Amino acid sequence: DAGVTQSPTHLIKTRGQQVTLRCSPKSGHDTVSWYQQALGQGPQFIFQYYEEEERQRGNFPDRFSGHQFPNYSSELNVNALLLGDSALYLCASSLWPRGAYEQYFGPGTRLTVT
Amino acid sequence: GDSVTQMEGPVTLSEEAFLTINCTYTATGYPSLFWYVQYPGEGLQLLLKATKADDKGSNKGFEATYRKETTSFHLEKGSVQVSDSAVYFCALSDGNDMRFGAGTRLTVKP
Repeated sequence: DAGVTQSPTHLIKTRGQQVTLRCSPKSGHDTVSWYQQALGQGPQFIFQYYEEEERQRGNFPDRFSGHQFPNYSSELNVNALLLGDSALYLCASSLWPRGAYEQYFGPGTRLTVT
Repeated sequence: GDSVTQMEGPVTLSEEAFLTINCTYTATGYPSLFWYVQYPGEGLQLLLKATKADDKGSNKGFEATYRKETTSFHLEKGSVQVSDSAVYFCALSDGNDMRFGAGTRLTVKP
């Protein structure tokens, strides 16, 4: 049984560019949440997707957007990258409606903005 | 809003020592509480959880009790091993999203 998978593992981008990160949830899960983890900090909630709609959103600007596909996989898009966007981006999957109680995390994508 | 405060690290212990990592929370309702562990280069793994007051979560020798009167959820282990070296995160959820503490890095020396 495959767990949560994320791609790519590492990514280097330049300020002002756009980036797309991908996540496949654990088998049987239908909800995907995204988190940003800056170095030395705890993860910060970005948003959550269920039934292809954004259901919850944290305190992140509109430069951060997402999408969920019919197969429950998800993308995180960040536009106009800033140096401060450098972080580990974690995807977590769960089963609605217990999304925030039973989350399984992927290994993350390390984004470096230069 | 709801938040979690963890004991600052890093924490360095010798093998077989007793571990306590303090965690307190602020919440308007009755959240569920969690401890996650992150090994180097990996994502977060759920270590244990408690969903209501006085519940005790336990796993792999780690324990934490949900204390409503002191708004705490301290992590304990009676005898740590070198393999327990990792970063530990306390977290809470009201069902909408999950709030994490800043993490406590634990290093266990042989």
